[in-house]
Amino acid sequence: QKEVEQNSGPLSVPEGAIASLNCTYSDRGSQSFFWYRQYSGKSPELIMSIYSNGDKEDGRFTAQLNKASQYVSLLIRDSQPSDSATYLCAVNEIGGATNKLIFGTGTLLAVQP
Amino acid sequence: EAGVTQSPTHLIKTRGQQATLRCSPISGHTSVYWYQQALGLGLQFLLWYDEGEERNRGNFPPRFSGRQFPNYSSELNVNALELEDSALYLCASSLTGATEAFFGQGTRLTVV
Repeated sequence: QKEVEQNSGPLSVPEGAIASLNCTYSDRGSQSFFWYRQYSGKSPELIMSIYSNGDKEDGRFTAQLNKASQYVSLLIRDSQPSDSATYLCAVNEIGGATNKLIFGTGTLLAVQP
Repeated sequence: EAGVTQSPTHLIKTRGQQATLRCSPISGHTSVYWYQQALGLGLQFLLWYDEGEERNRGNFPPRFSGRQFPNYSSELNVNALELEDSALYLCASSLTGATEAFFGQGTRLTVV
């Protein structure tokens, strides 16, 4: 069973701080990695995609990928109360008849004003 | 451009009944995925449709089924509803061969 693991949290950070969210995955063949944000009672929203080792920045968000260590992380700079949500890490499993996103259970982030 | 749309938003059914959930993908997207998210739990993969065909299904019993229509919209059918089927059902779409998937707002199914 291919797995994606995240710390469930809650991760509490003060407003303006950097929030660091981590994710590990079991399938060494995975090629595509995503971070989704899900507010309570809402559907997941894609916020970052990363496909190659290193960092990818988009505004206040930076995704980091290390395929050798099988982890992907998301940094949120200058955290705002509106960033409080559950962050889902997803890994794409592709092969043969398979094309699906495997999700971690999510990390709950709470940004304290 | 319209996003992924799902209907109905909420659905209440009695145990043993059948439920039908519908999904319209983003224009141009041919792949549709269905996920179940039970309260407090993660997203569990249900089904993947592409170009009108079921390509892959998750570890769910056969009473979970669906189809994709020629216009790439999709429906999910759940037969013989059980109380534990109560969950948020999410549909996502992507371009064929692409990996970025975008979700609809979900259908909240409650089985009583």
